[in-house]
Amino acid sequence: EVQLVQSGAEVRKPGESLKISCKGSGYSFTTYWIGWVRQMPGKGLEWMGIIHPADSDTRYNPSFQGQVTISADKSISTAHLQWSSLKASDTAMYYCARPHSESSGYNAFDIWGQGTMVTVSS
Amino acid sequence: YVLTQPPSVSVAPGETARITCGGNNIGNKNVHWYQQKPGQAPVLVIYYDSDRPSGIPERFSGSNSGNTATLTISRVEAGDEADYYCQVWDSSTDHVTFGGGTKLTVL
Repeated sequence: EVQLVQSGAEVRKPGESLKISCKGSGYSFTTYWIGWVRQMPGKGLEWMGIIHPADSDTRYNPSFQGQVTISADKSISTAHLQWSSLKASDTAMYYCARPHSESSGYNAFDIWGQGTMVTVSS
Repeated sequence: YVLTQPPSVSVAPGETARITCGGNNIGNKNVHWYQQKPGQAPVLVIYYDSDRPSGIPERFSGSNSGNTATLTISRVEAGDEADYYCQVWDSSTDHVTFGGGTKLTVL
């Protein structure tokens, strides 16, 4: 079964760093791009960016460029999303997702992780 | 690239729901649609304007022309109640955008 399993919920204080993960299984991890999507409480979906695990080619939504870092470790079939200094406004659910086709990272996402809730509060 | 969806659509069981997604010349782009129920991750229901992933009922269909893409849900059931989001990739800017979402209420 193709699946993406994300790390558990996190609670951090403003200014702290954080790295969350997304582990792929059931398919060749280096063949497909992986994307990250943010959903703030009660709000809609926002595309943050994508990474190709084979060579770590990464594309960011300009709104998130410089605010987060997307990375991947193909040796353990895992993608990461990290912050160096969290803000309260980073409080959100974060989803990783895989496109339905390996031809492009911009294709529709047909496989989603279960989501990681990040809460930033003093 | 801005995608505009109505905040809410209401329909009685058994009727047809149409959820629109407006954008400048969106007919020239590939549109994808997702369903998201409370507390769950989104589920792809339509991709490339009108293709259905396996496991998605035939009641779900899509169209795209001009400045409007439409997700149509026929014979609506209570279980279809959810938020629906459209998504496009703008190749000219390499940006991916989601619409603001539409809450479908089954009366």
